[in-house]
Amino acid sequence: DIQMTQSPSSLSASVGDRVTITCRASQSISNYLNWYQQKPGKAPKLLIYGASTLQSGVPSRFSGSGSGTDFTLTISSLQPEDFATYHCQQSYSTLMYTFGQGTKLEIK
Amino acid sequence: EVQLLESGGNLVQPGGSLRLSCTASGFTFSNYAMSWVRQAPGKGLEWVSAISGSGATTYYADSVKGRLTISRDNSKNTLYLQMNSLRAEDTAVYYCARRFRELTSDAFDFWGQGTMVTVTS
Repeated sequence: DIQMTQSPSSLSASVGDRVTITCRASQSISNYLNWYQQKPGKAPKLLIYGASTLQSGVPSRFSGSGSGTDFTLTISSLQPEDFATYHCQQSYSTLMYTFGQGTKLEIK
Repeated sequence: EVQLLESGGNLVQPGGSLRLSCTASGFTFSNYAMSWVRQAPGKGLEWVSAISGSGATTYYADSVKGRLTISRDNSKNTLYLQMNSLRAEDTAVYYCARRFRELTSDAFDFWGQGTMVTVTS
């Protein structure tokens, strides 16, 4: 099974900061990496798929990069509505997915 | 507008059974593979099971294999998760999610609001 490891597990930042979250796969997954945002009590929302493609309607301050085993999610200038938990997910194994453990982004 | 609405979550004793449903609208249900994803209280997301658009092929996480069964009724636009031999560690919010697929991408583009399953004596 492919394991996904996110870092950090939690992060404190201020409005306007640039933030980077990383996700590492236990084996190469090409660019089959997705990022989701989840707010408390809500379902996850797709932000980025295929490692770097922004889902429709997602603000351009979000970006994703990487391939193989190492990936990053970057928020260029944090906004108040961005404080949430972020999850990475591999979809390399057809219809057998795994998620990272999540990164909670909190206000400093 | 795409909508996914889960139901069936409840309080159940260890060893008990439950069936979750996810009713879809706003898209051609049979054209899409679907998944169940769960989230234990205060924990991350865990993919549980997936089913192809036709229902012919199913996939399971090792943690639920043999106890949970995914199925679908395309005539009713409904996805199911039959849960048997439930354990305390199955306690979670269960989400259904639609698979979105492009050339080199495979993700969940729409999610339901979730339904809570609590396994306790």
